[in-house]
Amino acid sequence: DAGITQSPRHKVTETGTPVTLRCHQTENHRYMYWYRQDPGHGLRLIHYSYGVKDTDKGEVSDGYSVSRSKTEDFLLTLESATSSQTSVYFCAISPALAVYEQYFGPGTRLTVT
Amino acid sequence: SQQGEEDPQALSIQEGENATMNCSYKTSINNLQWYRQNSGRGLVHLILIRSNEREKHSGRLRVTLDTSKKSSSLLITASRAADTASYFCARTQGGSEKLVFGKGTKLTVNP
Repeated sequence: DAGITQSPRHKVTETGTPVTLRCHQTENHRYMYWYRQDPGHGLRLIHYSYGVKDTDKGEVSDGYSVSRSKTEDFLLTLESATSSQTSVYFCAISPALAVYEQYFGPGTRLTVT
Repeated sequence: SQQGEEDPQALSIQEGENATMNCSYKTSINNLQWYRQNSGRGLVHLILIRSNEREKHSGRLRVTLDTSKKSSSLLITASRAADTASYFCARTQGGSEKLVFGKGTKLTVNP
């Protein structure tokens, strides 16, 4: 998985609780992405980062926030989890914005009850 | 949604047969990529084809791109059980450099 780790790998949480997912890379790539994968929808971009403290929204950003204080770490926060945010979340990295291939982490399975 | 369509949604073949998956899209693209996802794992990049290219090969993989028909196909020759996975196309399009993924084709190769 190309030097990308995600934590936790599995999480069950209750509606209304805050949740933070972490993505850590050892490749020193500039770009980092958070996607969610749901049956029937494929992968959808939530947020991405193009440098430390530089982030932008993706297709499905409502209800999510991100932060990147170091090159190697990209955090995804659900401020108040809802059942509709039950999904598998993938982090990806690339040296440039979509010009090169993206390398994906192993995923985090999040269940909101 | 800007997502394109992949066809078929599911494909089941015997080992040794060829597998063809198609990807269609609606707007002009900069490049198109194909990824593989094994069950419970992250996506793995297979091949990238630029908008000015028509065909690329990588081992048993052959990708074609027809920009006039706004479609691409992925051919896996002499398939193996280990090719069982979901396959996704992804593209950059219009003025955006972000990748847009299709919904995928689930390929099953039976021994």
